[in-house]
Amino acid sequence: DTEVTQTPKHLVMGMTNKKSLKCEQHMGHRAMYWYKQKAKKPPELMFVYSYEKLSINESVPSRFSPECPNSSLLNLHLHALQPEDSALYLCASSQPRNSGANVLTFGAGSRLTVL
Amino acid sequence: GENVEQHPSTLSVQEGDSAVIKCTYSDSASNYFPWYKQELGKGPQLIIDIRSNVGEKKDQRIAVTLNKTAKHFSLHITETQPEDSAVYFCAARRIQGAQKLVFGQGTRLTINP
Repeated sequence: DTEVTQTPKHLVMGMTNKKSLKCEQHMGHRAMYWYKQKAKKPPELMFVYSYEKLSINESVPSRFSPECPNSSLLNLHLHALQPEDSALYLCASSQPRNSGANVLTFGAGSRLTVL
Repeated sequence: GENVEQHPSTLSVQEGDSAVIKCTYSDSASNYFPWYKQELGKGPQLIIDIRSNVGEKKDQRIAVTLNKTAKHFSLHITETQPEDSAVYFCAARRIQGAQKLVFGQGTRLTINP
């Protein structure tokens, strides 16, 4: 079983809906990540939080809004998405990015479908 | 920035045979090279990694080799089993400076019984 838990596993939403993806880890990791993965493609980095502060935003559209309420939780708020945003959204965690090899532990992902 | 090329994109082997997946990277300063396995319906899971001060690393049936001069690294799986069927991603990054992990395009490995 993965030590990074993501909910929901599946989400279907319309373009006018507001929804959120949630991620939780209890490994004491202080860096958390959101990745987007399209079918048959590698994960693409979206956001990185280090010590609960946003450290990297890979030029992601504002319809995706991350939030890190504490060191164990990471949310991704979704609003006014487009059908092309349909993908598997992966959460990952690690020790802080400047503390060594920075091994990522991924969750199982939330599969998002935008109608 | 770093660019990682991975080959082949698909690989089919008979159960019990060996499988080899190869990756090349462009940034000579990259010094950390993990391999991830992604099974259907799951997130990627780290299976082995290597740092640039080591040429080879083994873990049971899995091994990774690194050639820094040629800037390529390879995953070797021996005595393949049906549960090895998955998509495998190589990746590279610099440990220093908090550079992001750059993934290869992935290899879909199928083990035929």
